Amino acid sequence: DSGVTQTPKHLITATGQRVTLRCSPRSGDLSVYWYQQSLDQGLQFLIQYYNGEERAKGNILERFSAQQFPDLHSELNLSSLELGDSALYFCASSVQGWGHTGELFFGEGSRLTVL
Amino acid sequence: SQKIEQNSEALNIQEGKTATLTCNYTNYSPAYLQWYRQDPGRGPVFLLLIRENEKEKRKERLKVTFDTTLKQSLFHITASQPADSATYLCALDRDDKIIFGKGTRLHILP
Repeated sequence: DSGVTQTPKHLITATGQRVTLRCSPRSGDLSVYWYQQSLDQGLQFLIQYYNGEERAKGNILERFSAQQFPDLHSELNLSSLELGDSALYFCASSVQGWGHTGELFFGEGSRLTVL
Repeated sequence: SQKIEQNSEALNIQEGKTATLTCNYTNYSPAYLQWYRQDPGRGPVFLLLIRENEKEKRKERLKVTFDTTLKQSLFHITASQPADSATYLCALDRDDKIIFGKGTRLHILP
């Protein structure tokens, strides 16, 4: 158990809908990262937050947004969903924001299926 | 742009032998490189980190090398076991991001 909690584990929805994925980082970790994993693309970095502030951004679509709350949990919002958004979405956390801090601790993921 | 290349083909190794996985990268000089293990449907699990000034790192049956001239890292599992079967991902830092390769699927055959 990594200590990172993601909900929901599975989500099935229709095109055009909006969903929210939630992540609780390990106790004491200030940084949260979101990744998307599909079969053909591997793990794609979406966005990172450190202590409530956006720290780094990857190829995150404009239809997607995220935030980190004062209690350090994070939410990833996906809107106007398309079939191609079906994927595993992982949250990871680390102690510090950056600077060669070492490992990421990953949650078990949220599997999104868009029909 | 930054690229990380790992063998896309699955690697089949006989139990007890050493498995060697390769990670090549281009267009960047990362400060460190990490290796993760991922089982189907599960989140990646950290295995080892090696810094740019380190040539080699070991942890039990695992060994990682980092050649910044070749822009390559090798990941070795000695005395491999069927339980080592998984996908192994390498990751490196770039501009405040940790980016991952697509991984290599390793099958240890009994």
